[in-house]
Amino acid sequence: AQRVTQPEKLLSVFKGAPVELKCNYSYSGSPELFWYVQYSRQRLQLLLRHISRESIKGFTADLNKGETSFHLKKPFAQEEDSAMYYCALSASSNTGKLIFGQGTTLQVKP
Amino acid sequence: SQTIHQWPATLVQPVGSPLSLECTVEGTSNPNLYWYRQAAGRGLQLLFYSVGIGQISSEVPQNLSASRPQDRQFILSSKKLLLSDSGFYLCAWKAGGELTTGNTIYFGEGSWLTVV
Repeated sequence: AQRVTQPEKLLSVFKGAPVELKCNYSYSGSPELFWYVQYSRQRLQLLLRHISRESIKGFTADLNKGETSFHLKKPFAQEEDSAMYYCALSASSNTGKLIFGQGTTLQVKP
Repeated sequence: SQTIHQWPATLVQPVGSPLSLECTVEGTSNPNLYWYRQAAGRGLQLLFYSVGIGQISSEVPQNLSASRPQDRQFILSSKKLLLSDSGFYLCAWKAGGELTTGNTIYFGEGSWLTVV
């Protein structure tokens, strides 16, 4: 079965501290993985995707097929990073369906 | 540029009443369209998706239905709401017809439904 697990509902760190939001997936095929972010009072938006191997707003995420993980990392958290983060798996290329994890709220304290 | 509109933003409905949430996309044609729900304490759950006019796929059995009467219009409905239908509903779209990897899905602003 296809599943995305984000074990932490809430992650609270101080400004300047490293951040790692965990994401594990279960998928029998070749996965396409994404991180979406929802800032307060804004719509859900794409943060980054594994296929692009990009760094957005200082965040990176590496797909580890051996551990079936796609953890989101940032070396130094900023207060503006406070938001809800969702890890998502694309189950089918042509329909574009996304399977989401339960989300992790990141709270960056000053 | 492409935009997605979803309404109403907030509504409070009594149990047993009907529901209609509407979503339209502008600036693209033949998009894939999706309805997601975020219930309290749970993640985003895909309810329906559509790859074309009149083509609706349901992901989970439920009290809701979806329709796509026009290419860029997606409607979420219910004939009789249940308390368990309360939640945050998100419409989303993706450029259709692509078989390449890297599916970027764009979301509307969401609709808060409270069934009382």
